[in-house]
Amino acid sequence: KQEVTQIPAALSVPEGENLVLNCSFTDSAIYNLQWFRQDPGKGLTSLLLIQSSQREQTSGRLNASLDKSSGRSTLYIAASQPGDSATYLCAVFDGYGGATNKLIFGTGTLLAVQP
Amino acid sequence: EPEVTQTPSHQVTQMGQEVILRCVPISNHLYFYWYRQILGQKVEFLVSFYNNEISEKSEIFDDQFSVERPDGSNFTLKIRSTKLEDSAMYFCASSPGLLSSYNEQFFGPGTRLTVL
Repeated sequence: KQEVTQIPAALSVPEGENLVLNCSFTDSAIYNLQWFRQDPGKGLTSLLLIQSSQREQTSGRLNASLDKSSGRSTLYIAASQPGDSATYLCAVFDGYGGATNKLIFGTGTLLAVQP
Repeated sequence: EPEVTQTPSHQVTQMGQEVILRCVPISNHLYFYWYRQILGQKVEFLVSFYNNEISEKSEIFDDQFSVERPDGSNFTLKIRSTKLEDSAMYFCASSPGLLSSYNEQFFGPGTRLTVL
């Protein structure tokens, strides 16, 4: 059974710092992996999706990497801003990519960027 | 930009009552999902739906739950007789399926269900 773990559970950094969030998964047979942002009491905003054949994806100040063989992904945030404060969720697609590819979520990393 | 919408944003109900949560997926998407998040816990998969039938459901999705796509736009989750432990945020999601090589899932803002 696929398990997704994220460390650290919480992180507080001063504005401008670069930071790395970690995600690990137990079964390397994933279809792809998606990183989300969740603001308090709100929905999930998709940040990046990495296909299983890819090593990394970039969007603005965000860079996500994937190492399937070791069951790890990282989300790198460059030059953090107070507006980046949120919970970041990692989720793996469990399945071959068809209708049964449900997302299995980690517990999230709560990020606070101090001005 | 197209987005998934959900109504209501917050639903309060008495234990044992039926509730229907509504979602409008992105219009050209083919796959639909419901997830839930109990306060302080992980987001959990409930059910996936494709071609007008359930594709997969979790052990949480018991006989008290049902899903329906009553018309070409809405996707609903019904809980027949709510329990206290059904209190959670319920998220609807949709994905393009084979229209896209990524099959990225897009989530709605959620419905917070409170069972008293």
